[in-house]
Amino acid sequence: AQSVTQLGSHVSVSEGALVLLRCNYSSSVPPYLFWYVQYPNQGLQLLLKYTTGATLVKGINGFEAEFKKSETSFHLTKPSAHMSDAAEYFCAVSARSNFGNEKLTFGTGTRLTIIP
Amino acid sequence: DTAVSQTPKYLVTQMGNDKSIKCEQNLGHDTMYWYKQDSKKFLKIMFSYNNKELIINETVPNRFSPKSPDKAHLNLHINSLELGDSAVYFCASSRGDWRGEQFFGPGTRLTVL
Repeated sequence: AQSVTQLGSHVSVSEGALVLLRCNYSSSVPPYLFWYVQYPNQGLQLLLKYTTGATLVKGINGFEAEFKKSETSFHLTKPSAHMSDAAEYFCAVSARSNFGNEKLTFGTGTRLTIIP
Repeated sequence: DTAVSQTPKYLVTQMGNDKSIKCEQNLGHDTMYWYKQDSKKFLKIMFSYNNKELIINETVPNRFSPKSPDKAHLNLHINSLELGDSAVYFCASSRGDWRGEQFFGPGTRLTVL
């Protein structure tokens, strides 16, 4: 079984400041990890994903995340926050279900607010 | 072109009614999903279909019945609606590869009065 913990349900940063959203996972098998973003009144959109290979993953809109197996973490960062980054961010872990297809387990989300 | 579409976008109804939400994807994906997002934004998978076959069925009341007429469509029918069913329901699709991305629809906000 797999699970995801997102520390901090709300994070506020000033425009231009570093964004750091925390995600820790638990998985009995090598995980595939994802960050999704949800803008107000919209569906989820993939920001980035880690499958295998390079542990530092770059995504859209200047976001990146680093997979650290020893810390079971997959924190999301962006060097300089922009007003348009205000949204809900979800970390998710994927593992093969009993039927052989994937099952995404989501964290509880972090609402990012950007202060002008 | 919209990749994953859902209708309706908003649904307001009375307790005890029966309602359906429709989902269509034009990505050629084999796998489709229904998720429920509650008022605290928590997302939980409800069902998954692969090529019209049910493959994931989480602990969901049997008042909820998914139907997949073909691999591009996955509908959700809800009988005897209850207050606790109020939520945003998202449809998603993927290639079915557990390493891959899921593409989400815009959501259907269901309000049960």
